[in-house]
Amino acid sequence: GAVVSQHPSRVICKSGTSVKIECRSLDFQATTMFWYRQFPKQSLMLMATSNEGSKATYEQGVEKDKFLINHASLTLSTLTVTSAHPEDSSFYICSARDSSGGALRETQYFGPGTRLLVL
Amino acid sequence: GEDVEQSLFLSVREGDSSVINCTYTDSSSTYLYWYKQEPGAGLQLLTYIFSNMDMKQDQRLTVLLNKKDKHLSLRIADTQTGDSAIYFCALGSWGKLQFGAGTQVVVTP
Repeated sequence: GAVVSQHPSRVICKSGTSVKIECRSLDFQATTMFWYRQFPKQSLMLMATSNEGSKATYEQGVEKDKFLINHASLTLSTLTVTSAHPEDSSFYICSARDSSGGALRETQYFGPGTRLLVL
Repeated sequence: GEDVEQSLFLSVREGDSSVINCTYTDSSSTYLYWYKQEPGAGLQLLTYIFSNMDMKQDQRLTVLLNKKDKHLSLRIADTQTGDSAIYFCALGSWGKLQFGAGTQVVVTP
């Protein structure tokens, strides 16, 4: 089946530093990728939609200058948490949409997640 | 209330059937999904159903959709210990998903 990877799987950083998280679709092309944030024992909250070759679309309340998204190729999207603070600590999950089968067979595959801890 | 609601916890004995319920408010979604999340891991797509279907069966999994009541359910037959996880229902179109809070399923011997 389709595989989406994320790197790193977990990261600890100091407050004020920036952290980059990579999301890759390994065996399919993804024109669209999504970034979610999950707090402990809560659901996933969509942060932004990443479109290859164009600007990301951010959900209401998500700071685009703080969470920089780049989707430079059909298999890679990156999320950079700039000037991270302890409240940014969370589980970040990406997903990639495989549209190769056409709109009726749209399927979304999730990465394993990246656990970020900001000290 | 939340747009997608699930009960938070379900305990089931090994070998019994599990039924996880989900209610929603937005009926415009094209697809309705069930995902499984094991501790510390991402989400695994279990199954999905088109909004114009009432039922879908996939091996041990049966999805029922009641569009009138805006109710989605997932039945797991012959529940095994490996089925212990958090199950999320999600609704969406064009890949943009809205998730419920998840139901933690605990399978006891």
